[in-house]
Amino acid sequence: EAQVTQNPRYLITVTGKKLTVTCSQNMNHEYMSWYRQDPGLGLRQIYYSMNVEVTDKGDVPEGYKVSRKEKRNFPLILESPSPNQTSLYFCASSFLPLAGAPEQYFGPGTRLTVT
Amino acid sequence: SQQGEEDPQALSIQEGENATMNCSYKTSINNLQWYRQNSGRGLVHLILIRSNEREKHSGRLRVTLDTSKKSSSLLITASRAADTASYFCATDRYYNQGGKLIFGQGTELSVKP
Repeated sequence: EAQVTQNPRYLITVTGKKLTVTCSQNMNHEYMSWYRQDPGLGLRQIYYSMNVEVTDKGDVPEGYKVSRKEKRNFPLILESPSPNQTSLYFCASSFLPLAGAPEQYFGPGTRLTVT
Repeated sequence: SQQGEEDPQALSIQEGENATMNCSYKTSINNLQWYRQNSGRGLVHLILIRSNEREKHSGRLRVTLDTSKKSSSLLITASRAADTASYFCATDRYYNQGGKLIFGQGTELSVKP
């Protein structure tokens, strides 16, 4: 089954404790992206990747890191989480954009709480 | 800044009625997409309309795009309780070849049986 998986689905952590949220897709997509969703703010893009070893900042990259060492995986790293990073996080993937952004396939989401 | 903004923020209708949601954006785009999200879950792609298209249909969905007004509408006909969800429009920016999508804040649709 074609899908984007994220782990963990739920995470409660404390300020400053490094964490990684994994994202994996099995559709051979070149493009992968991370979003955060907050009430009243919609989805905002954190980072995206056009292919292996190619990453770029989205609209809200501060406090986050990503890596793309393999095509299927795109982990999101919070080196020193803070309470303002409490949010619902989504990973998404798609084929490479040709004429505008293509259809995105979303993971089920990771609900992160930082206390 | 918000590229896509949906209107209304919330909409409540009876089953069988039509639901119309609107999206406005600010810059020139390559295409506009609509997504659906059931409470707290991942977004699901509904339909994509390119900047050179004016109308597109998919089942009970009808999307229109007016690039002169920088606006789009999503019409769901003969709504069902299962259509209850949040609906988001997403746009890219014409000059951006990187496929970066910008989402609006969404319209929360409630369809009462």
